[in-house]
Amino acid sequence: GAGVSQSPRYKVTKRGQDVALRCDPISGHVSLYWYRQALGQGPEFLTYFNYEAQQDKSGLPNDRFSAERPEGSISTLTIQRTEQRDSAMYRCASRANTGGYNEQFFGPGTRLTVL
Amino acid sequence: GQSLEQPSEVTAVEGAIVQINCTYQTSGFYGLSWYQQHDGGAPTFLSYNALDGLEETGRFSSFLSRSDSYGYLLLQELQMKDSASYFCAVGRDDKIIFGKGTRLHILP
Repeated sequence: GAGVSQSPRYKVTKRGQDVALRCDPISGHVSLYWYRQALGQGPEFLTYFNYEAQQDKSGLPNDRFSAERPEGSISTLTIQRTEQRDSAMYRCASRANTGGYNEQFFGPGTRLTVL
Repeated sequence: GQSLEQPSEVTAVEGAIVQINCTYQTSGFYGLSWYQQHDGGAPTFLSYNALDGLEETGRFSSFLSRSDSYGYLLLQELQMKDSASYFCAVGRDDKIIFGKGTRLHILP
């Protein structure tokens, strides 16, 4: 695709439900990142992948959060037993290569609301 | 760990020049980048500095001093469309951490 896409764009769920957020990076991009962004704040690092390997998950808030990228392309961020404090914008970004620097391209985000 | 500090808000006049500072603490350093985010939009890349000095891209310039763990974004000839939030970010081993952002208000 032309850019990073995320689905759904909006998700409203009840406390205690599981949710799965999807990220489709730019074709061929090696690195994929997940961030959470509160209103008026910067993107908060959650985890990232190079190809299918999860390189760092130190930003995941607790064990209810998990992410996978099984084929090195599409990624899913799963939140189990959602809580109201999980409500936020979840953003995905991809980079063309590892090492050195190349810019991150961000998707439009998924706005999660937990009631 | 890694942390970044930048002012929460800056106000400037249309047509003027504004500088947004960023200081960082990191156990490793890969480069300092800047992103712009308009309300309701996604962050978009502006510039990157891996080495000390000034990088210029049109009306925007970015500076880095690795010895001072400091950088800034300079916006010249401000336009109303530059009203946005600006984030500095540091990278280490492909892990990229963002600051909390500076909200730029532009007065006509």
